[in-house]
Amino acid sequence: QVQLVQSGAEVKTPGSSVKVSCTASGGSFSDFGIIWVRQAPGHGLEWMGGILPGFPVTKYSRFFEDRITITADASTTTLFLEVRGLTSEDTAVYYCAKRTRRCVGSGCLIDNFFDPWGQGTQVIVSS
Amino acid sequence: QSALTQPPSASGSPGQSVTISCSGTDSDVGAYNYISWYQQHPGEAPKLLIYGVSERPSGVPDRFSGSKSGNTASLTVSGLRAEDGADYYCSSYRGDNHFVFGTGTRVTVL
Repeated sequence: QVQLVQSGAEVKTPGSSVKVSCTASGGSFSDFGIIWVRQAPGHGLEWMGGILPGFPVTKYSRFFEDRITITADASTTTLFLEVRGLTSEDTAVYYCAKRTRRCVGSGCLIDNFFDPWGQGTQVIVSS
Repeated sequence: QSALTQPPSASGSPGQSVTISCSGTDSDVGAYNYISWYQQHPGEAPKLLIYGVSERPSGVPDRFSGSKSGNTASLTVSGLRAEDGADYYCSSYRGDNHFVFGTGTRVTVL
């Protein structure tokens, strides 16, 4: 059972960048994909993008694609989200969540739902 | 990005049922049976409740059920319990490994 552990809280200044990590234990990169989700204070969940590291395929929300990069390190089964040009609106909790790849017979599909989720990483942007 | 539309709030007394709607478009909810629902208690990460429109993961009580008609998906919580008070979010696949979440609904157990 893959578990996701995220990096600790960050405090950043406007205009800077932040890199949040999500380490997957108990699985290999070929077995799953990861999405990143932003949740600003008092707001809902926003899908930022995702990666299928075993293929590799990376997709970004049009709302974030100019400012974020999602990468993966196979040697440590760690996924990363970098957000550039931070503003106060980026103050939020950032979650990673897993999409499982399931193989039945000769065919494999990747889940279009997210389970489990990391514990979240608080990012505060303040001058 | 255009979020799926959910009512901001819903409420019910213990034992009653509450249904939450999730409205999308022909490009997401209406196009795919990849609707999932998540429950989030304050200060916690979201938890998967329903996937594939109406499937429940192991460990999720059968009080939670999902359905879909056209461009609108729904989550029904039957036999409301105090611990069901939380925020609920729907999600839909949008094709090409893109996804969208709903605006969220806060359920209050009266």
